[in-house]
Order: sequence, then structure tokens, then C-alpha cells
Amino acid sequence: SAVISQKPSRDICQRGTSLTIQCQVDSQVTMMFWYRQQPGQSLTLIATANQGSEATYESGFVIDKFPISRPNLTFSTLTVSNMSPEDSSIYLCSVASAPWAGELFFGEGSRLTVL
Amino acid sequence: SQQGEEDPQALSIQEGENATMNCSYKTSINNLQWYRQNSGRGLVHLILIRSNEREKHSGRLRVTLDTSKKSSSLLITASRAADTASYFCATDAGGSYIPTFGRGTSLIVHP
Repeated sequence: SAVISQKPSRDICQRGTSLTIQCQVDSQVTMMFWYRQQPGQSLTLIATANQGSEATYESGFVIDKFPISRPNLTFSTLTVSNMSPEDSSIYLCSVASAPWAGELFFGEGSRLTVL
Repeated sequence: SQQGEEDPQALSIQEGENATMNCSYKTSINNLQWYRQNSGRGLVHLILIRSNEREKHSGRLRVTLDTSKKSSSLLITASRAADTASYFCATDAGGSYIPTFGRGTSLIVHP
């Protein structure tokens, strides 16, 4: 299993601003994902973070709103741009074990509140 | 789109009792997994069961899978207050092994 650190753990942001969330893994991983969990809801996959290339976004999520970087096999960032109160959620970084059998390991999440 | 749907949405039991949560899904799957989430924190992987398996055990956890009914159950035996959490099932299907999560069951175990 991998140890995943996310920063910040929580933040309160003003409408219209942007925030970058960092995800650091203690080992090299092939697959990294970003999920969103809105209050009281399930997890929704935002995108797959690809090392050295553009992220693969799921339906309903676009690069302009959620730019993602993955400069190497242990680190990724997710930016939530031009935030509105509807972006108030927990954002979770997750990684897959190798060889991947399907299970995911998660960071502790970043709880964002947008005022 | 969500694949698995957990039932019940909320479950409240006394310490020492067994807790059973169910998950139903709509299409054929490769794998089904259960995760636990404590109070808005990260998810912890509990158990994975493959489509060709019918039952799996891990400590006090027992998972069953009925592919004919497209359903799974998670049984937690002799529950403890520390089991209080939300439990999610997640399925993957087709060529994608990226899990899709259900809405979860909120379990409260009273000491």
C-alpha cells in the first residue's frame, strides 16, 4: 500500500478565487486519480492524472475548471479554478497499487468551503 | 454514472450486533469492492471480490457476491463503536478498472 499526503487538509475560500491541492505519494505509482465528494454524496471521478501528458477528464469536468498537473510518478496537483459555493466539497487524491488489481488507496482529502 | 447503490442508507445498531449492508448494481462487473470512510476523511479499502468469486472473508468482514442478482452484501460481525463510519461499494466494468462508487451506507454503532 502507498502513503498519500494531501495539502491543504481544509480551507475556506472566497468566491472567484482558485486553490491548488497537492498530492504526494511515498512511492512511484502508475495510476493517480482525483475524486470529488460533495456533502453527503458519493465520490465522483474528476480525472485521471497522467504523468507527462494531459489529464483524462470525465464527463462533466473540464481542464479550464480543474487543471491537473503530474510532473512525476509521486506527485500531482489539482486546481479548482474560479470557485463558487457549488465547488464546496472534499477533494480526494487516490492511487492504484501495482500490479493493479482494482483497489485504490486514498489520501485524507482536502475539504474546501467556498463562501 | 453511479453503478452501485447501497442499502440501507443509514443503519444504527448496538455494539456486539452484526451489521449487514447491501449493494446492487446494474451491469456486469469485473470486480466489486467495499470501502470505509470515517467522518469525511479518506477512504480505506476493505475488501475486493472478483466476479467469479462468491464469498470472501477478512477478519470480522464477510462479503458475498451474487452476480445473477447483481448484488453484494457486507457483513460486519460483532460490531464495535469504532466501526462507526460510512461504507461504500464500488464496481468496475468492461475495460476500465477504475471503480465507480455508490452513495454509501452510514453505520452508527452505539457503545
